[in-house]
Formats: sequence, C-alpha cells, structure tokens
Amino acid sequence: GAGVSQSPRYKVAKRGQDVALRCDPISGHVSLFWYQQALGQGPEFLTYFQNEAQLDKSGLPSDRFFAERPEGSVSTLKIQRTQQEDSAVYLCASSLDPGQGKKQFFGPGTRLTVL
Amino acid sequence: RKEVEQDPGPFNVPEGATVAFNCTYSNSASQSFFWYRQDCRKEPKLLMSVYSSGNEDGRFTAQLNRASQYISLLIRDSKLSDSATYLCVVNTPGAGGYQKVTFGTGTKLQVIP
Repeated sequence: GAGVSQSPRYKVAKRGQDVALRCDPISGHVSLFWYQQALGQGPEFLTYFQNEAQLDKSGLPSDRFFAERPEGSVSTLKIQRTQQEDSAVYLCASSLDPGQGKKQFFGPGTRLTVL
Repeated sequence: RKEVEQDPGPFNVPEGATVAFNCTYSNSASQSFFWYRQDCRKEPKLLMSVYSSGNEDGRFTAQLNRASQYISLLIRDSKLSDSATYLCVVNTPGAGGYQKVTFGTGTKLQVIP
C-alpha cells in the first residue's frame, strides 16, 4: 500500500529489555514525526526529522530513547532498558511538506507493553 | 497550563443533534490549526484544516478565534458514525524554521441512537 507502515504492530517487552520500532513513511515524504500516545491521551510529540536530519528531539522523555533516519526514508525509534511507564502506542507520521507538519499521514502505530 | 487544551468529554448526543467542541491554545505565535479524528484503537486521521475565515465541509464547520486563542468544531445532524475522539492540533514555529506540532488530549464523542 501507499500509506505509512509500522512494525511490529504489537510488542511485549520485559522491563529492562531494549526494543526497536520501525516506521516506513510514504515515499517522497520529507518530514517524519514520532509520537507517544498513552491511553486516553492525545499523541505527545517525541521527535521530528526533515529528511535524514533530526531537527527536534525535545520530546524524547529520556536518554533511553533514540531515533534515527539515516537515509531519509525509514526511521527507527529505539528504547533502551524499557520501563513500565514506556507502555504506550508509538505513532509515526509523515508529511510531504518540509518543515510544515500539516496534513500528516499516520501509521497504525506500535502498541508497546512493558511487563 | 497545557499548550493545547480540550474538554475530554465524553459528549453523549442523540442522532441528529448538533454538537460543538472547543480547543484553546496558549502560544499566540501558533500559525496553523487542524482537527483530526481518531477512532478507537486506530491512528488519527485529518478531518479538516481550520482557516482564519472559518471553513465548512459538509456537516462540519471549523472556526478560529485568534484574539481569544481558540478553535472550534461544529458537527450538525450527528450520525452514529461520527462517534470518535476529535483531536485539536496546533502548529507553532519552532527552532530551525519548522512547525512544532502539538495535539490536544482529544474530546470523545458518542452519538446515541
């Protein structure tokens, strides 16, 4: 399909385990965003890429969170030494417009559960 | 104070009713505004942009009040299929020339038969 895809869709991790979440944006989309959505809350911004450049990582909650987009397309969000409070849905969105963030197309999300 | 605030609801309304949601934002430099819809356990999807002059798309009307720093969404003739969470989104210029995107917590709408 032509939409944003994310994998895995579901991930269960034991506390302390490292996880890697993948996002495949729509081909040609310059902007890529990661969000964390807790139950009953709106998506919270984590980080933003324009092509391969990470322009804003102010939303990453701790240094255990790391994101990359080395070739300006696929992105990976890595969480080291997962904690129970990391349990959430992690959403990826892409946008054609560089630096705008409007008309974002979201992937289905990865639901992370940390036991 | 949160940057973008919404009443979480739920708003329970009968079919055919008109319902309105408000969303307030704190940064007067915010430049663009949107409403997204999110169904249960699904990803958010863009419902409509919000323009300064107000805009309408079928049964949906969005308005922006820059002076009071709020946006609104009006849904007329509610359908069962309108049941969802409505997320307000505000874009504000950030460092490096890009627009920082902030979501509200969402307002849950339940349309009752």
